[in-house]
Amino acid sequence: DAGVIQSPRHEVTEMGQEVTLRCKPISGHNSLFWYRQTMMRGLELLIYFNNNVPIDDSGMPEDRFSAKMPNASFSTLKIQPSEPRDSAVYFCASRGQGYEQYFGPGTRLTVT
Amino acid sequence: QKEVEQDPGPLSVPEGAIVSLNCTYSNSAFQYFMWYRQYSRKGPELLMYTYSSGNKEDGRFTAQVDKSSKYISLFIRDSQPSDSATYLCAMSNAGGTSYGKLTFGQGTILTVHP
Repeated sequence: DAGVIQSPRHEVTEMGQEVTLRCKPISGHNSLFWYRQTMMRGLELLIYFNNNVPIDDSGMPEDRFSAKMPNASFSTLKIQPSEPRDSAVYFCASRGQGYEQYFGPGTRLTVT
Repeated sequence: QKEVEQDPGPLSVPEGAIVSLNCTYSNSAFQYFMWYRQYSRKGPELLMYTYSSGNKEDGRFTAQVDKSSKYISLFIRDSQPSDSATYLCAMSNAGGTSYGKLTFGQGTILTVHP
């Protein structure tokens, strides 16, 4: 079975550029979560969707961050403009009927 | 105070040792408890999943939940170098506005040396 798929796996960009991270959840899962992980702050929930609808975006740090889920099999997290402090690993996770979440491999973002 | 507290370690043990990893929490509404294992440069991987209080065993791994003390543990028996990773506890309410959200500990870094 294919797990959660994320792309790109690595992204290096310059400050001020737009960054788009992509996620394909596990087929049949109806909840999708975006996290950010850093050494200092650990794993932080940014936003999550149930049935493609954003439920809680209180973790989105600033208006520079936005997320969409146009259908059940695709979601994007966009940062515009990017800043060096956005450098982190961004994870997407999906959930089916239970409470456990399944994580993708992550996108390692470096903003110079 | 954080909702979930987890000692970040690092914890270093010899191969074959019994490892005990722990988390405490403050939210009495938590009912679902998970342990994730994260290898370096990988995503967190679900290891154990328990509901309410009690024990659950899976091979060398045992998860314990003590809701009266708001304390959960993960025991690893006969630890192996391949167990070297960061272990994160996570927990969730049963429903309400936080339905589906997991609250994570900050993770404990474990190294098992040969």
